[in-house]
Amino acid sequence: GDSVTQMEGPVTLSEEAFLTINCTYTATGYPSLFWYVQYPGEGLQLLLKATKADDKGSNKGFEATYRKETTSFHLEKGSVQVSDSAVYFCALTPTGGGNKLTFGTGTQLKVEL
Amino acid sequence: NAGVMQNPRHLVRRRGQEARLRCSPVKGHSHVYWYRQLPEEGLKFMVYLQKENIIDESGMPKERFSAEFPKEGPSILRIQQVVRGDSAAYFCASSPPMRGVVGNEQFFGPGTRLTVL
Repeated sequence: GDSVTQMEGPVTLSEEAFLTINCTYTATGYPSLFWYVQYPGEGLQLLLKATKADDKGSNKGFEATYRKETTSFHLEKGSVQVSDSAVYFCALTPTGGGNKLTFGTGTQLKVEL
Repeated sequence: NAGVMQNPRHLVRRRGQEARLRCSPVKGHSHVYWYRQLPEEGLKFMVYLQKENIIDESGMPKERFSAEFPKEGPSILRIQQVVRGDSAAYFCASSPPMRGVVGNEQFFGPGTRLTVL
């Protein structure tokens, strides 16, 4: 079945540091790929998505590129802020527009001054 | 515009009691999903419903768990005879009609945190 693997946390960075959170997936065909963010005590919010190979999703300074050849969708941000502290989840839906999201285990990011 | 509403936000039950979790989707959304987040784990899909229909319940435990999304009112996730292992955060999400859309976004509620004593 489909699966998502992402780097374990917590990841602790200083403000303005560069962020990479790795995500790889296992799925047939061309799934849609997502990054969701969860702030403390809240539900998940969609951060960005990509629906086909070589697409780049971007939002709020974050970006991720759909790499079919490496089955990856790594999240990057050039300069993190304290307000970016949250848990980040990589996820996919199956090829063809299926509805079921398959999530990675989440990566907690802590940004310090 | 109201987002996905879930209540209660926190629910405490003793072993053997019933838990009812409610979810009101975004207005106009006809698709509802339930996910469970166990401690230190990611979210796991449980069930996908449209109005009055269960579309995919492949993630639901075979016993004690049921879900509905009636024509009127919120979606309900019901857990009978709760056990300690049911303690988790339960998230509801909704989406508009799919119509073959690829990468359709799901909008998540704040979750219900169930604690079984």
